Amino acid sequence: SQQGEEDPQALSIQEGENATMNCSYKTSINNLQWYRQNSGRGLVHLILIRSNEREKHSGRLRVTLDTSKKSSSLLITASRAADTASYFCATDDSGAGSYQLTFGKGTKLSVIP
Amino acid sequence: GAGVSQSPSNKVTEKGKDVELRCDPISGHTALYWYRQSLGQGLEFLIYFQGNSAPDKSGLPSDRFSAERTGGSVSTLTIQRTQQEDSAVYLCASSFSVGGYEQYFGPGTRLTVT
Repeated sequence: SQQGEEDPQALSIQEGENATMNCSYKTSINNLQWYRQNSGRGLVHLILIRSNEREKHSGRLRVTLDTSKKSSSLLITASRAADTASYFCATDDSGAGSYQLTFGKGTKLSVIP
Repeated sequence: GAGVSQSPSNKVTEKGKDVELRCDPISGHTALYWYRQSLGQGLEFLIYFQGNSAPDKSGLPSDRFSAERTGGSVSTLTIQRTQQEDSAVYLCASSFSVGGYEQYFGPGTRLTVT
């Protein structure tokens, strides 16, 4: 079953604008990760935030985590055309005794030059 | 160093045939994961290895799917008697260990069952 669910499913913005994507999940987690996928092939890891962290930054990326609401957001500031990709959140299930990651269906971001 | 590699990059097979997909993880990574992704969908977990052991096989869709890992390195995903619904991109990832480490993905194998 799907653990993470991204919102919106698709987002189109102008270059230079900020893009915000949200992720909701269902179970208790140890950590949440965000990945980017170009052209339907391999994924690239962006950032990992642990359950005891509330916010994390990496370059133009800012991730927040609210474990009480079981939600996370990914903010990309000053977007570029090269940011066009699908973005996925992935969570583990701390109670399941397994280290599998469960991915959402992703947000497709289009940045228009 | 080299990233995760997968072979073949594309595979077209007839329904009912068996296929083997290969994954070479990053050297030194003890954890290895298999996922599949259907068109426009998210990733579906299949199986993961810690060393040569597969503690969680719960994602394998049916008993036609099996995987093994030898020498703590290369892994092979085998699909027997392929069906059209097996058509997807099969992605492999490795990480330093399990539990809270980023996963490095290979480019995937696109499997088409005709």
